[in-house]
Amino acid sequence: AQSVTQLGSHVSVSEGALVLLRCNYSSSVPPYLFWYVQYPNQGLQLLLKYTSAATLVKGINGFEAEFKKSETSFHLTKPSAHMSDAAEYFCALNTNAGKSTFGDGTTLTVKP
Amino acid sequence: NAGVTQTPKFRVLKTGQSMTLLCAQDMNHEYMYWYRQDPGMGLRLIHYSVGEGTTAKGEVPDGYNVSRLKKQNFLLGLESAAPSQTSVYFCASSLPGTRGSEQFFGPGTRLTVL
Repeated sequence: AQSVTQLGSHVSVSEGALVLLRCNYSSSVPPYLFWYVQYPNQGLQLLLKYTSAATLVKGINGFEAEFKKSETSFHLTKPSAHMSDAAEYFCALNTNAGKSTFGDGTTLTVKP
Repeated sequence: NAGVTQTPKFRVLKTGQSMTLLCAQDMNHEYMYWYRQDPGMGLRLIHYSVGEGTTAKGEVPDGYNVSRLKKQNFLLGLESAAPSQTSVYFCASSLPGTRGSEQFFGPGTRLTVL
């Protein structure tokens, strides 16, 4: 069975601080992993994805994620948080059948 | 290029009423999906389609039906709405074939069932 676990449903950081959002996965096949962002009252949009090429993936808005097979993790980071980063973030794992399994989401709050 | 659009944006129903949510995409994507989003539960797949004329059940299909008569449209129907179906509904689409394809999401439909 394939699953995604996001550790921490709420994360709060100060503006300018490091952002770290955690995602662990379980997959019986080599994983294809995604991070999506959802701003209030909007749909999800892709931040970045890992598709078995480079293990360090860079995305939009200064975010990046590192795939670590030994730790079954795909944590999302940004060196310096901005107020505009406040949103909900979802980690997702693609299955063979064209479907995605999503984590429960992490709400990021950025304090001034 | 509008991407994925959803109609309506908001709707309030009474228990037992029926309605249809419309999803349209202009990216020529083969795959389309319907999800519901509830607080603390992430996105749960209701039904999906891998091509025109095909549909399949997802994780939470009970109480919903779907149809994909045209490649660009994916309809989600509630035959007899229940308060448990109060949720935000998202449609998404993606390219077929590779697991590396991301999904493109619509803006959502906020449904309240009284």
